[in-house]
Amino acid sequence: QSALTQPPSASGSPGQSVTISCTGTSSDVGGYNYVSWYQQHPGKAPKLMIYDVNKRPSGVPDRFSGSKSGNTASLTVSGLQAEDEADYYCSSYAGSNNVVFGGGTKLTVL
Amino acid sequence: EVQLVESGGGLVQPGGSLRLSCAASGFTFSTYSMHWVRQAPGKGLEYVSAISSNGDNTHYANSVKGRFTISRDNSKNTLFLQMGSLRDEDMAVYYCARGGPLGTGTTSYYWGQGTLVTVSS
Repeated sequence: QSALTQPPSASGSPGQSVTISCTGTSSDVGGYNYVSWYQQHPGKAPKLMIYDVNKRPSGVPDRFSGSKSGNTASLTVSGLQAEDEADYYCSSYAGSNNVVFGGGTKLTVL
Repeated sequence: EVQLVESGGGLVQPGGSLRLSCAASGFTFSTYSMHWVRQAPGKGLEYVSAISSNGDNTHYANSVKGRFTISRDNSKNTLFLQMGSLRDEDMAVYYCARGGPLGTGTTSYYWGQGTLVTVSS
């Protein structure tokens, strides 16, 4: 199973919005509404930020939102804050109990 | 509060075996699927294996199929990963994660802090 494609890096200034893409195929992202996004700070465990394309777990700020169009999912972080600087990973269900991750995007807050 | 605590990592020679454990608390363990996800040094996340709530359904990434076995003891709220025929490329931090209630799960909702497996001679 091939990994999903994410840009290696993204950046924005405090208060701005930034969008991170996650491109797959019709066998994963495009075929199911089971895209998740995880935030990982250096040396820490990943944290779920978005699931089922656009749902936010309790406690995640509404500055984080998810969407999907065709084979590409997106994570948008609005009103960027310094603490949003982290690595972000997307994942998607890919059928037959399989889950595939993206390569990760390093988000820098300028 | 959901807590997942991994243990069992360490140094192992290529070809060797290791058993990881994950002690769960703060939720009804027997009603949720569980996952193992790993992260090689400086690399991204890689799905390793998943198991349904009652243990009847398991799944493995192609990279570990036939070498790793996932299991759970619902009476002890513990998840396991038996790893065999270890290779250099298996060296990683192994995270235990809680999935959803159905099947083997599509999302890892909560994560442990991870345990490091080092494969080296």
